Amino acid sequence: ETGVTQTPRHLVMGMTNKKSLKCEQHLGHNAMYWYKQSAKKPLELMFVYSLEERVENNSVPSRFSPECPNSSHLFLHLHTLQPEDSALYLCASSHQAGTSGVLTYNEQFFGPGTRLTVL
Amino acid sequence: GQNIDQPTEMTATEGAIVQINCTYQTSGFNGLFWYQQHAGEAPTFLSYNVLDGLEEKGRFSSFLSRSKGYSYLLLKELQMKDSASYLCAVRDQTGANNLFFGTGTRLTVIP
Repeated sequence: ETGVTQTPRHLVMGMTNKKSLKCEQHLGHNAMYWYKQSAKKPLELMFVYSLEERVENNSVPSRFSPECPNSSHLFLHLHTLQPEDSALYLCASSHQAGTSGVLTYNEQFFGPGTRLTVL
Repeated sequence: GQNIDQPTEMTATEGAIVQINCTYQTSGFNGLFWYQQHAGEAPTFLSYNVLDGLEEKGRFSSFLSRSKGYSYLLLKELQMKDSASYLCAVRDQTGANNLFFGTGTRLTVIP
């Protein structure tokens, strides 16, 4: 048990559907992340929230819309996706403390992921 | 940009030692992480290096050379359960905790 849960674990959706992925962390962390993991490609960082504010958006298409209502919850809203968006979507959390440039190692804890298939 | 390279696949024998290499070229550096990921499961943290040298943790050790942009993960006394993907990730210097991952090395341990 990693302390980070994701629902649903599997999702099949059509290109015109709207769905949401949910992530919850029970570790008292103050930063949360969305990653995309496709076959034979590196984990790609999509969004970062620190203290509930978005601090990173790695040129992700607008059909992916994140939401972080509090430090324990993170959502990824999906709308009019494409088949190439089929992948494993991983959520992670970490503690992020210290002044700029001074970080302890603060490893990220990952959830089990949502396997998304877009038809 | 960030470029992190590691072999795609490796095979090793139960009880043996295996070394998984990772080279990186990044715009900044503030630590290197190794994660283990079993098929269908979440990546789990294995080790962290920010200074040059070897960090040992039980059967697993990780080495870093910042001047060479090089790290390796050493697994000793391999067990069948060590069959998994091993992900190398570098944190840049932006002050955030952003990680840039390699494609991962799929290790298969055979009897």
